[in-house]
Amino acid sequence: DQQVKQNSPSLSVQEGRISILNCDYTNSMFDYFLWYKKYPAEGPTFLISISSIKDKNEDGRFTVFLNKSAKHLSLHIVPSQPGDSAVYFCAASGGFQKLVFGTGTRLLVSP
Amino acid sequence: SQTIHQWPATLVQPVGSPLSLECTVEGTSNPNLYWYRQAAGRGLQLLFYSVGIGQISSEVPQNLSASRPQDRQFILSSKKLLLSDSGFYLCAWKLREGPYGYTFGSGTRLTVV
Repeated sequence: DQQVKQNSPSLSVQEGRISILNCDYTNSMFDYFLWYKKYPAEGPTFLISISSIKDKNEDGRFTVFLNKSAKHLSLHIVPSQPGDSAVYFCAASGGFQKLVFGTGTRLLVSP
Repeated sequence: SQTIHQWPATLVQPVGSPLSLECTVEGTSNPNLYWYRQAAGRGLQLLFYSVGIGQISSEVPQNLSASRPQDRQFILSSKKLLLSDSGFYLCAWKLREGPYGYTFGSGTRLTVV
């Protein structure tokens, strides 16, 4: 039972354009959502998060949008840079004790 | 500042051999501790988590076990490895209260041959 889904395994964008990564969840008890960035053979690093009481959170080039009614969140990266190329994981938490991760989306930003 | 250490970085083990991966956290007390696994082409799967010494919650029944002998030490073990145990193992910690944290270690690449 995949409670957090990232339906796009990969995404390719050109440098300077917007990257939009999507995530859907099924468990209505999730109340905190995070995005992580991961390079090969390294641990994931935290990017940005959002609480269920908000619908948008912004940090520099990264913005996360949450649509609770649709159980959908997205990560926007503007402008995209080649250094953003990595695997991005969406994660959700309910009650703060554990994170459930999606399967990841590999982003490739070409110059 | 808080740091998390995980070792070894890579490990090649024969089928049927035992396993012990160790994770320690510095600079904090009473953290929640986690073991995740990333199998080839798959996402991050939560294996075990602990909210205190000796308290282990298992998410996926399998060939692995976890122990927390000290507040900031988390150990992943197996008595007999299977080929399917191959993967990238990640330890993580977070503060006991609130949603913040979930900081990951650098991971261990385990290959069972």
